Amino acid sequence: ILNVEQSPQSLHVQEGDSTNFTCSFPSSNFYALHWYRWETAKSPEALFVMTLNGDEKKKGRISATLNTKEGYSYLYIKGSQPEDSATYLCATRGGNTGFQKLVFGTGTRLLVSP
Amino acid sequence: DAGVTQSPTHLIKTRGQQVTLRCSPKSGHDTVSWYQQALGQGPQFIFQYYEEEERQRGNFPDRFSGHQFPNYSSELNVNALLLGDSALYLCASSLGTGTQQETQYFGPGTRLLVL
Repeated sequence: ILNVEQSPQSLHVQEGDSTNFTCSFPSSNFYALHWYRWETAKSPEALFVMTLNGDEKKKGRISATLNTKEGYSYLYIKGSQPEDSATYLCATRGGNTGFQKLVFGTGTRLLVSP
Repeated sequence: DAGVTQSPTHLIKTRGQQVTLRCSPKSGHDTVSWYQQALGQGPQFIFQYYEEEERQRGNFPDRFSGHQFPNYSSELNVNALLLGDSALYLCASSLGTGTQQETQYFGPGTRLLVL
């Protein structure tokens, strides 16, 4: 069974702060790692798909790194803005659970105060 | 380009009843997956449909069933509802390539409350 864990569970920062979250997952039979941003009352929005060890992805002020050998991914937000307030979910595919299903962590809830 | 749509947005049922949730995939997508998100948890995979067949199933009882239509839209049916079925039900669509880069795009969900 794949267990995906995210930390911290929640985070409250001030506008302009930079922040980062962690996603940990079993490294065996890794296939892909997904990051989503989920604002309240909206659909989860796909941020990144990461597949190779050492991958780095960037979208505006948000970036992510991947270490498949040790089983973790970091998501960074530079200069947080109130509109970054959301729950950030990571999910993996692979292992003995099949390559179709996403296995999610419980998310990191970010609140950015003006 | 319409994204993934789901209906209804909210639903209230009583124990023992049956419910049907609907999902229309993003234009051009042929694969639909369903997830259940209970309070305080991440979304849990229920099953995935591709070419009108169930391709993969998660650890959910047979009370949960689904269907995919020729236009790729999908339904999730839950029979004999239990209080524990109260959750947000998310639908996701994708191109069923099975590649590492395949991304699932989510709808806004249907909130089900079982009383």
